This record gives sequence, C-alpha cells and structure tokens, in this order.
Amino acid sequence: NAGVTQTPKFQVLKTGQSMTLQCAQDMNHNSMYWYRQDPGMGLRLIYYSASEGTTDKGEVPNGYNVSRLNKREFSLRLESAAPSQTSVYFCASSIQGAQRNGYTFGSGTRLTVV
Amino acid sequence: QKEVEQNSGPLSVPEGAIASLNCTYSDRGSQSFFWYRQYSGKSPELIMFIYSNGDKEDGRFTAQLNKASQYVSLLIRDSQPSDSATYLCAASGAGSYQLTFGKGTKLSVIP
Repeated sequence: NAGVTQTPKFQVLKTGQSMTLQCAQDMNHNSMYWYRQDPGMGLRLIYYSASEGTTDKGEVPNGYNVSRLNKREFSLRLESAAPSQTSVYFCASSIQGAQRNGYTFGSGTRLTVV
Repeated sequence: QKEVEQNSGPLSVPEGAIASLNCTYSDRGSQSFFWYRQYSGKSPELIMFIYSNGDKEDGRFTAQLNKASQYVSLLIRDSQPSDSATYLCAASGAGSYQLTFGKGTKLSVIP
C-alpha cells in the first residue's frame, strides 16, 4: 500500500520555466491538498480538492494551478516559475475533509527555482 | 486570519524525561486538533488527534485540549533520542477541509 506518491522528488527550474508536480493516492480518499513548506513560514495551503471534480484556493494560490484528474490524482502546475516558489511541496489526502482524520502526506518535492 | 502558534524551540530534554509541547489557536470555531511529527527532510506524520476537552493517551504520548483557553499540548513520556524531530500542531474547524498548521517546535532529546 503506497499511500500518497509524489513525483518528482527533486527539481531545479530556471525562472520562467513551467512544470507539473504529480500526486496520486491509493487509499480511496476523497479530498486532496497541496501545501508548501518554507523555513520560518510553516505549512501553507496552496489549493485543495474536496472531492473529484472540485478545486478551491487555499492561503497562497497565486502562481499555481491545479487539476483533479480523477479520484486518485491531483496535480499542481507552475506556469512561469519564480525564485519565490523555491520550496518543499507536499501533497496530502484525507478520507473527507480534515476534521475527523487529519491528512496523510506524501514524501514531498523539493523545488529550486534559479 | 486563523492562526496556530507554537514556540519554535529548540526544546531540549534529557533521555527518559517528559517533553511538553504547547500550542495555542486563535479561531474559537476550531474543533479538531492534530499533532504531527516531522523528521528533518521528511514529510509530516500524524501521531495524535483530539476533539474533546481533556486528555487523550496513546502509548507514550498524551494530547491535552482546553477549548476555553484555546490551548493544546502534547506530552511525550520517557523521551527517546528517536523522538528528536519537529512537532507540528494543526487545527481544523467544523466541516472544514483545511488544516491550519503552526510553524512547529523542534525537540531534541539528549542521550
């Protein structure tokens, strides 16, 4: 049982380049999330998908887009990367919402934008 | 703005002692509270959750919640060097899809 799988694990981009971070879960969870984690800032929600077919903005959505491809997969796209988007990105999932069970996190993607 | 506050530490305790980690939250509507452990370079791992006022025990871990004071704590008994990590407190409102995280407290258990 893999849980939440993120790819890639590491990436270096040049300013202005685009890329998509992939996330898949095999726990039959309905809700999926993208967070970024920066030193001194903690975990901040970028976007989330409450269920298949829906997406909503979180605390820091600017510069990002998401796609809930199906129940298992939730991708995060950077259209034109900026150095301020250098961060560690975590995908997470939950059965339904956050209240009862919290999240299960993926292993993270460490992104550097130069 | 919903906020979850934690002392960043580092908190250093000797092996075998009790480690006490504290967290306060600003949103009185928060109903569920979570403690995650994060080792350096790894992803957060859920270790405890609590919904009701009082204590909840799971092995060496005890979570405490006081909604009147908007205060959550995590006690780790018989601390081990393997407990050395950053501990993240998180809160969620009723029916919410979002967890609001504190910035974490770094715990160091000294052998």
